[in-house]
Amino acid sequence: GAVVSQHPSRVICKSGTSVKIECRSLDFQATTMFWYRQFPKQSLMLMATSNEGSKATYEQGVEKDKFLINHASLTLSTLTVTSAHPEDSSFYICSARYYEQFFGPGTRLTVL
Amino acid sequence: AQKVTQAQTEISVVEKEDVTLDCVYETRDTTYYLFWYKQPPSGELVFLIRRNSFDEQNEISGRYSWNFQKSTSSFNFTITASQVVDSAVYFCALSEPGGGSQGNLIFGKGTKLSVKP
Repeated sequence: GAVVSQHPSRVICKSGTSVKIECRSLDFQATTMFWYRQFPKQSLMLMATSNEGSKATYEQGVEKDKFLINHASLTLSTLTVTSAHPEDSSFYICSARYYEQFFGPGTRLTVL
Repeated sequence: AQKVTQAQTEISVVEKEDVTLDCVYETRDTTYYLFWYKQPPSGELVFLIRRNSFDEQNEISGRYSWNFQKSTSSFNFTITASQVVDSAVYFCALSEPGGGSQGNLIFGKGTKLSVKP
């Protein structure tokens, strides 16, 4: 089956630093990847849609300068949280589209 | 507006009981897709089922079954003879307009199921 990986699975950083999260489709090529955010005991909220070779499309209320998305190849999309603050602490999940969406295992970000 | 409502926030059952998780949706599309995902404590979303709006047949897969009723805009999920390993948060999701089965998903708030031995 289609497998999506995320790295790192867990990251703790200091306030003000930047954190990069990678999302890879391991056995298929994905022209579209999605980035979601999930707060504790909450649902998944779409942050942005990432298309290979073009700029990401951000959902309303998501700061594109804070959450930088790069989809440089058909198997890799990255999300960089710039100048992270404690309120950015959350569970970030990516998904890759191949006929349907396949989800990565998520990255838990804690900003101290 | 597109919306998915999972009214049950948390459900607790004893092992071997049957349990039904409710999902009600709103959409202006005539063609749409509905999904159920399981999220165990590890966090990874596990795909359970996809159903398109033209297929109202109920689906059974082992101990899992799904009841799709367009007339009431519901897509309920039943686990028969629940097991401790079924403990997880279950999300119902709806495809965005025009996105087909591959488009963005709108998730409900999830139902946390706890199955006690």
